[in-house]
Amino acid sequence: DTAVSQTPKYLVTQMGNDKSIKCEQNLGHDTMYWYKQDSKKFLKIMFSYNNKELIINETVPNRFSPKSPDKAHLNLHINSLELGDSAVYFCASSPQGLGPDTQYFGPGTRLTVL
Amino acid sequence: SQKIEQNSEALNIQEGKTATLTCNYTNYSPAYLQWYRQDPGRGPVFLLLIRENEKEKRKERLKVTFDTTLKQSLFHITASQPADSATYLCALANTGGFKTIFGAGTRLFVKA
Repeated sequence: DTAVSQTPKYLVTQMGNDKSIKCEQNLGHDTMYWYKQDSKKFLKIMFSYNNKELIINETVPNRFSPKSPDKAHLNLHINSLELGDSAVYFCASSPQGLGPDTQYFGPGTRLTVL
Repeated sequence: SQKIEQNSEALNIQEGKTATLTCNYTNYSPAYLQWYRQDPGRGPVFLLLIRENEKEKRKERLKVTFDTTLKQSLFHITASQPADSATYLCALANTGGFKTIFGAGTRLFVKA
């Protein structure tokens, strides 16, 4: 059974387009995250959500808008895509953001902006 | 600013030897430190967690040490196997933190 799933796995699009990435977790976790991993392999947090509420927004451009319709889902919508948005985006979840909770990552979505 | 440094160069070792990976950090006082494994094309997978008041943690062939004075963690894989070849990420977080900071990772190659 897939714990954290993301769709699509690959996304190739033109500059200026709008795209969405979906994430779902079936672990019953309260907290979900979006990370960006660039070409240098740094995994950088973008957003944290706890019980559908935004907790962390790491100075991400407002072209990126996360949406959490329920605790099991955290989708990422990106407007006016730019070349620099090309990266692998990972969704993750944890039981709760308080305390030493380990995170469970999805398989990643490789976004290529042409 | 907060910074995590891991061996930027790949680590090549022979099967059966002990691999030792280093994680150094600055401008941060984490409540706990985690190690993750990442295989190509996949998301990171949690391996071990150690708290600030712990010196050492073990799990099967894995051992983690945490020195908050040196601001350093060492990650050891004993009796290494080719299947251990992957990138290993160090991650820091505080209590009440919804924010975990990851290092860039160290690529480990274990030769048969």
